[in-house]
Amino acid sequence: QKEVEQDPGPLSVPEGAIVSLNCTYSNSAFQYFMWYRQYSRKGPELLMYTYSSGNKEDGRFTAQVDKSSKYIYLFIRDSQPSDSATYLCAMSAENNNDMRFGAGTRLTVKP
Amino acid sequence: KAGVTQTPRYLIKTRGQQVTLSCSPISGHRSVSWYQQTPGQGLQFLFEYFSETQRNKGNFPGRFSGRQFSNSRSEMNVSTLELGDSALYLCASSLVSWDTQYFGPGTRLTVL
Repeated sequence: QKEVEQDPGPLSVPEGAIVSLNCTYSNSAFQYFMWYRQYSRKGPELLMYTYSSGNKEDGRFTAQVDKSSKYIYLFIRDSQPSDSATYLCAMSAENNNDMRFGAGTRLTVKP
Repeated sequence: KAGVTQTPRYLIKTRGQQVTLSCSPISGHRSVSWYQQTPGQGLQFLFEYFSETQRNKGNFPGRFSGRQFSNSRSEMNVSTLELGDSALYLCASSLVSWDTQYFGPGTRLTVL
């Protein structure tokens, strides 16, 4: 079993829809949780960063960490065609730069 | 501020050869991490350098090595290339070890 599991999709939604992405993990030591967006032929771009549990909101994006169930979530409100990309979750233990990534979920937002 | 740059962007090599990839971090960033990205395995951590010292290493064979220079630029070397080494190699920099990482565009290596 991988440390971080993420459904690769693909996920296709109409413009304006609310998108829900998630990852599950097995390592209780993970404290830092991140979501990256990767466009085709580009490097990953940090979207959201959360320490420990809780929610974090930034514009149309909301990141949520539920350590009790070992799930993290990324919600995208009012999705746009420009949100079409692969979304990667990543996590790391305290003071450890050895990040573990999910497989990435490919999202397409149709106009 | 300029982002992370990686050279070359594309590379084609044959089995048994060796390759060196280069990464220039964001100005002022002292930590550089390397990752391998493949469709099957996703993003996997290779190693991290901070102040010219390797601080963390992922689970890759010794054919994969790296170094960091005093100006924080980093190089990654892969010796005796195998077909399975074909991947996108990404470099990420951060101010200090364990801080928000910023990725470069990657070097796409194809091994024939």
